[in-house]
Amino acid sequence: IQMTQSPSLLSASVGDRVTLSCKAGQNINNYLAWYQQKLGEAPKLLIYNANSLQTGIPSRFSGSGSGTDYTLTISSLQPEDVATYFCQQYNSWWTFGGGTKLELK
Amino acid sequence: QVQLKESGPGLVQPSQTLSLTCTVSGFSLTSYNVHWVRQPTGKGLEWMGVIWTGGSTDYNSALKSRLSISRDTSKSQVFLKMNSLQTEDIATYYCARAYVAALDYWGQGVMVTVSS
Repeated sequence: IQMTQSPSLLSASVGDRVTLSCKAGQNINNYLAWYQQKLGEAPKLLIYNANSLQTGIPSRFSGSGSGTDYTLTISSLQPEDVATYFCQQYNSWWTFGGGTKLELK
Repeated sequence: QVQLKESGPGLVQPSQTLSLTCTVSGFSLTSYNVHWVRQPTGKGLEWMGVIWTGGSTDYNSALKSRLSISRDTSKSQVFLKMNSLQTEDIATYYCARAYVAALDYWGQGVMVTVSS
């Protein structure tokens, strides 16, 4: 299943509400995860099953969506949120989106 | 605590076989599935394959002919072997534990270069 993320690059200011999008090539039944990857580090699981917050992840991160369209929202951007964000579907095997690089404006 | 750590040679000659080991602690391989994922430098993530709690495996169809994943539960180790390596296989290779099919713990990764 093809996963398409947009935008590929996003610039935002500290305190902004940020929305990242992920579109699946077919219905993935909410079997979607979001990962954060900082430079030089392994990916970290943020959200699973489209909207469940992984333990230890700040509540400013939230996931939503259904069918083919999903969103990761950061309610108030913090400097430590600068990273690349990947979505991943696990409805049919596993595939990742191409990523959204989030930088500070 | 849960930990995964990849190990193996950082340099492989073209057409040779890559052998990596993922040593896990803090959980049992008979209770959690373990995946392999790779990432070319500066690029996205590619799912490679999984070894299920029962020991069976599934692979990315694009890699299936070259890839083998196995394990030794007594040593808490998962093994990846991929043959016929080419420059397109240059990447950081990660092992990761699956929780409800999402990957909740990852190793630090091991960078693999293909060169003579």
